[in-house]
Amino acid sequence: QSVLTQPPSVSAAPGQKVTISCSGSSSTIENNYVSWYQQLPGTAPKLLIYDDNRRPSRIPDRFSGSKSGTSATLGITGLQTGDEADYYCGTWDSSLSVWVFGGGTKLTVL
Amino acid sequence: QVQLVESGGGVVQPGRSLRLSCAASGFTFSSYGMHWVRQAPGKGLEWVAVIWYDGSNKYYAESVKGRFTISRDNSKNSLYLRMSSLRAEDTAVYYCARDSLKLEPDYWGQGTPVTVSS
Repeated sequence: QSVLTQPPSVSAAPGQKVTISCSGSSSTIENNYVSWYQQLPGTAPKLLIYDDNRRPSRIPDRFSGSKSGTSATLGITGLQTGDEADYYCGTWDSSLSVWVFGGGTKLTVL
Repeated sequence: QVQLVESGGGVVQPGRSLRLSCAASGFTFSSYGMHWVRQAPGKGLEWVAVIWYDGSNKYYAESVKGRFTISRDNSKNSLYLRMSSLRAEDTAVYYCARDSLKLEPDYWGQGTPVTVSS
């Protein structure tokens, strides 16, 4: 059971938009930066979003992050088949002094 | 560019030890904290440990506390994970990742697989 809760799977058609939620608590999401990672099949995770809503320069602006209270959301617009991957949220847990990941969400682009 | 290359993985019997290494390049290693993260076959990401840039602080996941030790040698731009009393449930691909200076892993290596089996 992960400290951060994500839906196991989401799906949408090419060109559409999808959101992935990440639910935590006051000791995790509410008071610490949230990151999002993309893991394509058979590859290492890659940072998509950091500091709740900032994108590394190499990441297209189709990817966005937001946070409100104890929840965070990853948004992906203009879906492409190449976006099919597992997506993980992560943050620091201030009460336990550990980093925590969500359980991951598998994105299918139909 | 930032490069992280893990090594040292392999097949090991339960109860034995193994040391993983992570060679860093492309950035000032001594200025960044570093993480170990693992992924069991078919499972999600599990954070293992973090070490501060100067080694002054180390934190561990409860599942490995007392069995694993994270360390670093800034003179060699290298990160290590000493794993002892290994169990079958420690079987995973182990990734090293650089910390962004805000307690967020940013750059990741390609991982090294560890299999604990008799």
